[in-house]
Amino acid sequence: DSGVTQTPKHLITATGQRVTLRCSPRSGDLSVYWYQQSLDQGLQFLIQYYNGEERAKGNILERFSAQQFPDLHSELNLSSLELGDSALYFCASSVGLAASNIQYFGAGTRLSVL
Amino acid sequence: EDKVVQSPLSLVVHEGDTVTLNCSYEVTNFRSLLWYKQEKKAPTFLFMLTSSGIEKKSGRLSSILDKKELFSILNITATQTGDSAVYLCAAGSSASKIIFGSGTRLSIRP
Repeated sequence: DSGVTQTPKHLITATGQRVTLRCSPRSGDLSVYWYQQSLDQGLQFLIQYYNGEERAKGNILERFSAQQFPDLHSELNLSSLELGDSALYFCASSVGLAASNIQYFGAGTRLSVL
Repeated sequence: EDKVVQSPLSLVVHEGDTVTLNCSYEVTNFRSLLWYKQEKKAPTFLFMLTSSGIEKKSGRLSSILDKKELFSILNITATQTGDSAVYLCAAGSSASKIIFGSGTRLSIRP
């Protein structure tokens, strides 16, 4: 168990809908990262938050947004969902700011857009 | 454009064999190279490499980084069926950026 908690584990929704994925980092970790993993692609970095502030952006679509709350949990919001958004979404956390630090991954949320 | 390329994409070997997985990278302001193992779900950390030529070992697994040639290898000796997984390589930069390769799918046959 990595200590990173993601909910829900599975999510099934329809095109055009909006969903929220939730992540609680390991105790003491200030950085939270979000990744998307599709069947035919590797892990795609989406966005990083550190102590409540956005620190780095990867290949995140404008339809997606995230935030990190004062208690350090984070939410990833996906809106106007398309079939291609179906994927496994991972959250990871680390102690420091640098993305090159060791990251601990949650079990992921599998999103299916029908 | 920053990139991380892993090879081979997939590998099937017999239990007891030794395997070498490759990772090459081109990342601006490179800071570290990380290896992860992904079985059914979440990637789990294996190694972090920051210095060239220093081998890191953990049991039957070892890894080394060559910052001049921009690559890393992950070796697994005396493979076991439990080593079957996707092995991910990632390069981190000082710009709070991390790029993952597409992974090597390793299958160990008993």
